[in-house]
Amino acid sequence: AQSVAQPEDQVNVAEGNPLTVKCTYSVSGNPYLFWYVQYPNRGLQFLLKYITGDNLVKGSYGFEAEFNKSQTSFHLKKPSALVSDSALYFCAVRPGGYQKVTFGTGTKLQVIP
Amino acid sequence: GAGVSQSPRYKVAKRGQDVALRCDPISGHVSLFWYQQALGQGPEFLTYFQNEAQLDKSGLPSDRFFAERPEGSVSTLKIQRTQQEDSAVYLCASSLRGTGNTIYFGEGSWLTVV
Repeated sequence: AQSVAQPEDQVNVAEGNPLTVKCTYSVSGNPYLFWYVQYPNRGLQFLLKYITGDNLVKGSYGFEAEFNKSQTSFHLKKPSALVSDSALYFCAVRPGGYQKVTFGTGTKLQVIP
Repeated sequence: GAGVSQSPRYKVAKRGQDVALRCDPISGHVSLFWYQQALGQGPEFLTYFQNEAQLDKSGLPSDRFFAERPEGSVSTLKIQRTQQEDSAVYLCASSLRGTGNTIYFGEGSWLTVV
């Protein structure tokens, strides 16, 4: 069975500083990996995904993520945080060839002005 | 439509009532998913459709939960005899065929059972 771990419930970062939100996964076979963002009282918005190819994936709003197969990680990063980035971030994994997507428990990102 | 549409956005049900939650996926998306998100938690998989076929219902928590997609487009999640533990956000999502495709979520239906 697949699983996702987001070890930090909350990440605080000063505006303008780089941010990292951590994610590790466990899956049989090749993983498809996703990051979603959720603003209060809203649904999940897609940020980026890794399917194959370049380990560094670029997504919406200046976010990027690096796939590391040996460490089974897919950390979300942004070079310079904005206050408007404050939200709940979810990492998700889907085994290649399967439909079910498993989500982590989420990390609350707080960007401090 | 442009995105996944869910209705109602908010529903308050008395314990024991039946509720029906509707999902209108993105046009052309053959895959449709239902997820349950409890407060402060990540989304939990409930069920998956490919067109009108329900291929995976392993996440439905009890036989009080039932989902259908009779014409391969709009889907309804029905919860019978609601209990307080059913209070959650119910998220619908859709995607094109193929597991590498992005899954797009609706805004969710917020169910409160009192």
